[in-house]
Amino acid sequence: GDSVTQMEGPVTLSEEAFLTINCTYTATGYPSLFWYVQYPGEGLQLLLKATKADDKGSNKGFEATYRKETTSFHLEKGSVQVSDSAVYFCALSDPYSGAGSYQLTFGKGTKLSVIP
Amino acid sequence: NAGVTQTPKFQVLKTGQSMTLQCAQDMNHNSMYWYRQDPGMGLRLIYYSASEGTTDKGEVPNGYNVSRLNKREFSLRLESAAPSQTSVYFCASSEGYSDNQPQHFGDGTRLSIL
Repeated sequence: GDSVTQMEGPVTLSEEAFLTINCTYTATGYPSLFWYVQYPGEGLQLLLKATKADDKGSNKGFEATYRKETTSFHLEKGSVQVSDSAVYFCALSDPYSGAGSYQLTFGKGTKLSVIP
Repeated sequence: NAGVTQTPKFQVLKTGQSMTLQCAQDMNHNSMYWYRQDPGMGLRLIYYSASEGTTDKGEVPNGYNVSRLNKREFSLRLESAAPSQTSVYFCASSEGYSDNQPQHFGDGTRLSIL
């Protein structure tokens, strides 16, 4: 079945540091890929998405490129801020999984803490 | 601009009690979902509803039932709560027409079973 593996945290960075959170996936077909962010005490919010190979999703300074050859969708940001402290989830939606209703398969999440 | 609304936000139950978690969306979405979030486990799908009038089991359905009351509302029921069901529960919705449409999440219900 489909699966998503993302780097385990927690990750602690100083403000203005470069961020990379690795995400790799296994899927039956050609999935759409997503990064969600969860701030403390809140639900998940869509951060960015990419729907086909070589697409780059971007939002709020975050970027991720859909790499079919390496089945990866790594999240990057050039200069993190304290306000970026949150849990980040990589997810996929596989139209060929047979699961129905375009279900999302999530990674386990990576907690990021940014210190001043 | 409510999006997905979940009630209640917090609840404490005793083992064996029953409870219904409510979820409503105002985006005219076809599909709705219930997840549970546990430390180190990510989000796991409990049940989903692809469209009004249909429901299907997800990864961890045991101990739960759902009702798609209408297009807007999708409830989750615990008939006899157990401590293993202590978790944060999230409801989500999506248009449901393609795999590239994101899901929109509520703020969660934090449930403790004593």
